[in-house]
Amino acid sequence: QSVLTQPPSVSGAPGQRVTISCTGSSSNIGAHYDVHWYQHLPGTAPKLLIYGNNNRPSGVPDRFSGSRSGTSASLAITGLQAEDEADYYCQSYGSSLNDWGVVFGGGTKLTVL
Amino acid sequence: EVQLVESGGGVVRPGGSLRLSCAASGFTFDDYGMSWVRQAPGKGLEWVSGINWNGGSTGYADSVKGRFTISRDNAKNSLYLQMNSLRAEDTAFYYCARVAIAPTGTDYFDYWGQGTLVTVSS
Repeated sequence: QSVLTQPPSVSGAPGQRVTISCTGSSSNIGAHYDVHWYQHLPGTAPKLLIYGNNNRPSGVPDRFSGSRSGTSASLAITGLQAEDEADYYCQSYGSSLNDWGVVFGGGTKLTVL
Repeated sequence: EVQLVESGGGVVRPGGSLRLSCAASGFTFDDYGMSWVRQAPGKGLEWVSGINWNGGSTGYADSVKGRFTISRDNAKNSLYLQMNSLRAEDTAFYYCARVAIAPTGTDYFDYWGQGTLVTVSS
């Protein structure tokens, strides 16, 4: 059970907009620690999508956006495409959870209908 | 182009040992901290261990502390994870990842390798 809670699955039709939530607490997201997002197809290299709550690395389409408010964060994907079908993880910092305080959400499987 | 290539995975019996390697290229290796992250079958991502740029500072998840040791050789652009006293629950894909630092100081992982599979089974 991760300290960052994500819905196990979301789905949407091509062209639609979907959002994936990441709910934490006053010990992590609520303490103003940054939230980062990754896209992962199992067995392949995870890919950084969003860093620092709402920043996209070069090469990531602007269809992907992130936001943070209170103890939660969200990843929004607009203009859904078949290639977006993957697992998505949020990551933040949580003091005393481990030596570096790195914590991941449980992951959300996005299905493109 | 940044590349991270893991190797050293395989099948090992409970209680056994394995050493994972990660060969880095395409960037100045000793400018960056590095980490290992794993994914067990059907589970999510779990941070395992991290090391700063010169190896002077390391950290571990509670689940591996005392059994795993992270190290690096900057002359060889390589990261390592020595895994001892392996357990069935250590079965996972192990990814090495480059550490970046967000403007507010928190760590994230900007490049990842494709992973190497470790299976602990009798």
